[in-house]
Amino acid sequence: EVQLVESGGGLVQPGESLKLSCAASGFSFSGSVIHWVRQASGKGLEWVGRIRGKADNYGTLYAASVKGTFTISRDDSKETTYLQMNSLKTDDAAVYYCVLQQQLDGGAYGEPYWGQGTLVTVSS
Amino acid sequence: DIVMTQSPESLAVSLGERATISCKSSRSVLYRSNNKNYLAWYQQKPGQAPRLLIYWASTRESGVPDRFSGSGSGTDFTLTISSLQAEDVAVYFCQQYYGTPLTSGQGTNLEIK
Repeated sequence: EVQLVESGGGLVQPGESLKLSCAASGFSFSGSVIHWVRQASGKGLEWVGRIRGKADNYGTLYAASVKGTFTISRDDSKETTYLQMNSLKTDDAAVYYCVLQQQLDGGAYGEPYWGQGTLVTVSS
Repeated sequence: DIVMTQSPESLAVSLGERATISCKSSRSVLYRSNNKNYLAWYQQKPGQAPRLLIYWASTRESGVPDRFSGSGSGTDFTLTISSLQAEDVAVYFCQQYYGTPLTSGQGTNLEIK
């Protein structure tokens, strides 16, 4: 069974840091691309960033709103992806989801699989 | 970025009637090399994560009732619920996974008339 489990969310004060994890199981993980997507309360989905696999040099890309403060990394031996969030602002409060796409034959990526999300609250 | 435009924003349908939601992408999400449309539909209920209903524009996820169907290709897509049930009240949104960033429609709030 394929599964993505996020963890690490919680309450932090503005300016503090938090590191989220996304543990995958049942996937062909090493070639997958993993995205982080967030959803503030009552709002739509906002893409945060993504990380590709080793064959693509673990290339990362970020939304303009988080570039320079958020960092995505992965540990293929643990089949886990991380989202390091620094200098958090109240606007960063949201449920954070990881979304995985496996690499298909031919190099394209497949359909998205979602985790259940982890809540990040930023408040003084 | 690929812009996803959904309509309507809200929809009220009687129980047992058909519900239809439209989604348009600003450019094609059909990947020529595998002839797949990189378009998914989700259902989201309050306090819950999005639930994948349809992927590849028309493939129903395992466990999703067959009253849910997806159609379309290229830039124009439709989600149809053939006979609305009470448990289908939710927000529905489309998402393209063709390109980065992943982008989604603004959502359609489906209610019972």
